[in-house]
Amino acid sequence: EVQLLESGGGLGQPGGSLRLSCAASGFAFSNYAMSWVRQAPGKGLEWVSSITGSGGNTYYTDSVKGRFTISRDNSKNTLYLQMNSLRPEDTAVFYCAKVSPGSVIVGYWYFDLWGRGTLVTVSS
Amino acid sequence: DIQMTQSPSSLSASVGDRVTVTCRSSQSIGTYLNWYQQKPGKPPKLLIYAASSLQSGVPSRFSGGGSGTDFSLTISSLQAEDHATYYCQQSYSIRSTFGQGTRLDIK
Repeated sequence: EVQLLESGGGLGQPGGSLRLSCAASGFAFSNYAMSWVRQAPGKGLEWVSSITGSGGNTYYTDSVKGRFTISRDNSKNTLYLQMNSLRPEDTAVFYCAKVSPGSVIVGYWYFDLWGRGTLVTVSS
Repeated sequence: DIQMTQSPSSLSASVGDRVTVTCRSSQSIGTYLNWYQQKPGKPPKLLIYAASSLQSGVPSRFSGGGSGTDFSLTISSLQAEDHATYYCQQSYSIRSTFGQGTRLDIK
C-alpha cells in the first residue's frame, strides 16, 4: 500500500528538541523529493521544508531556518525533521508529503500523497 | 515569498449549486498552481494541479482555471460530501506557499 506514516510528535519544551520521522511505503522513495507541511491548531497550511530525492539539496521557510533540519535515509525509506530551539509558535500538526512528479526544482510539482500527521505541542 | 490570497474566506451553498473559489498570487506564477481539499481531522487531498489538470480519481465536477496571478476552483454541482476547506498552493517557487483557505459549508 502506498502510504506515509509520521511519528515522533508530542510535548516539547520551549528551547527543546524533537525529531519527527516519516516512514514511506509502496513507492520508490529515493525517486521523489519530500516535504514537511505544518498546520497550527485551527489555522491553514504552511510549507516548512523540502529535500530532493538524493538528499543533496534542502530548503526551509524563514521561520525555521537554522533551527530545523530535514534529512532522509533512502535505505530505510524514511524522512526526518530534527527540530531544535522549539518555540510555542511551532505548535502544529506536522504532515510529511510526497512531491510528484519527483522534483521541486524543475517543472510542475505538487503534493500527491500525505501522511496523517503528528501533533507537536511546545509548552512549558 | 509569494503571497497567496483566497476569496471568500468562507461560503455556504446548497446541494446542486455551482461554487467558485478564487486565488490570487502576489506575482505572476504562470500555471504553477495546485488546489487541495481538507476535511476535518484529515490530511489535505490533491484535487487540481498545474492550474487545470484534474488529479486521478477526483470527480469531474471539480475544475480549475486561470494563469498569471488569478486562479479559480469551480465545483459545478455541489454535493454534500464537498463540505471541506479548500487551499490553493503555488509551486512556482521551491519555497512554496498556500492560501489561507476557503471553508465551504452546505446549507
